[in-house]
Amino acid sequence: GAVVSQHPSWVICKSGTSVKIECRSLDFQATTMFWYRQFPKQSLMLMATSNEGSKATYEQGVEKDKFLINHASLTLSTLTVTSAHPEDSSFYICSAISGPGQYFGPGTRLTVT
Amino acid sequence: GIQVEQSPPDLILQEGANSTLRCNFSDSVNNLQWFHQNPWGQLINLFYIPSGTKQNGRLSATTVATERYSLLYISSSQTTDSGVYFCAVERKDSSYKLIFGSGTRLLVRP
Repeated sequence: GAVVSQHPSWVICKSGTSVKIECRSLDFQATTMFWYRQFPKQSLMLMATSNEGSKATYEQGVEKDKFLINHASLTLSTLTVTSAHPEDSSFYICSAISGPGQYFGPGTRLTVT
Repeated sequence: GIQVEQSPPDLILQEGANSTLRCNFSDSVNNLQWFHQNPWGQLINLFYIPSGTKQNGRLSATTVATERYSLLYISSSQTTDSGVYFCAVERKDSSYKLIFGSGTRLLVRP
């Protein structure tokens, strides 16, 4: 149990375009999901908390207008990187709470050219 | 904010060797989890261990909450144990938000 999927697993886009990443809880419902970003050889940094049916809350320093989060159902949260630039290239990982722990998706590698 | 430090940062083992990874945290926490990130980036839950000791096969973990540290033991290491091991803590006031340590990068050689 507690499986989280992400789609796509990798994406390449041109600078200035927008990219949407999906995060799904496959066998449980998640009122709260989280989005993290991980640069090469670094740790995970929490970007935002995605709340089903309400606005996301963003960590300090994360631009809410650039990283749009929508949590429209109990099994799906989406992260849209708007007007992407090369510095947005990173590994984006979502997680969802099941029981006392958090379970992570496989990640999405975004490359902006 | 709370600081999470892991040691050692890098570790190379010969297959079959044992190792201990350490995680220190600077404040009281609600929760502590250990994860293994495989070479493809997937984070795998190893232990949810806010206190006490747990074992799962060749892996075990101990958290001493009063002294603010946790240890992850790997016995009889295998090449598939290679990857990065993270500990992550949840602050007492944070509603499940996890703060990750910098990780221990483990390479197990055949």
